[in-house]
Amino acid sequence: AQSVTQLGSHVSVSEGALVLLRCNYSSSVPPYLFWYVQYPNQGLQLLLKYTSAATLVKGINGFEAEFKKSETSFHLTKPSAHMSDAAEYFCAVSRNDYKLSFGAGTTVTVRA
Amino acid sequence: DAGITQSPRHKVTETGTPVTLRCHQTENHRYMYWYRQDPGHGLRLIHYSYGVKDTDKGEVSDGYSVSRSKTEDFLLTLESATSSQTSVYFCAISEGQTSTDTQYFGPGTRLTVL
Repeated sequence: AQSVTQLGSHVSVSEGALVLLRCNYSSSVPPYLFWYVQYPNQGLQLLLKYTSAATLVKGINGFEAEFKKSETSFHLTKPSAHMSDAAEYFCAVSRNDYKLSFGAGTTVTVRA
Repeated sequence: DAGITQSPRHKVTETGTPVTLRCHQTENHRYMYWYRQDPGHGLRLIHYSYGVKDTDKGEVSDGYSVSRSKTEDFLLTLESATSSQTSVYFCAISEGQTSTDTQYFGPGTRLTVL
């Protein structure tokens, strides 16, 4: 069975500060990994995904994530937070079955 | 934006009544999914479809049924709604070419069961 753990249900950062959201997966084989963002009262949209092509993945809105097999992690970062980054972020994993398993989510608030 | 609509967007119903939620896509994608979103649980897969009349259960399928008679429509039915089914329901679609295909999500339906 596979699962995803997101460390920290809430993260608060100052505008301009680093955003770091943690995601760890459990899987016997390297999975496919995704980060989605959900703005208030909206559906989810894809930020980026790891498909084994490159371990450092760049996404939209200045976000990137690094796949580390030795740490079974896929943490999401953004060097400088903007007020518009306030949202809920979900890590998800898939394994050759066309289905996604989501983490519980991390809510990001950005302080002016 | 992917052409996905969900109806209704909001619904309040009473315990024991049947409820049907509709997901409609204009992308001709093969795979369609129903998720529910609850605080602290992220999104959990209820049912999914990999083609017309081809459906399978997800991790939280009890109390739900689905049907897909056309490529563009995927219906989720709560046969007898319970308060535990109060949630936000999201439909998603994907091309289904590979397991790395992006899933695109609809705007959601907020269901309240009193």
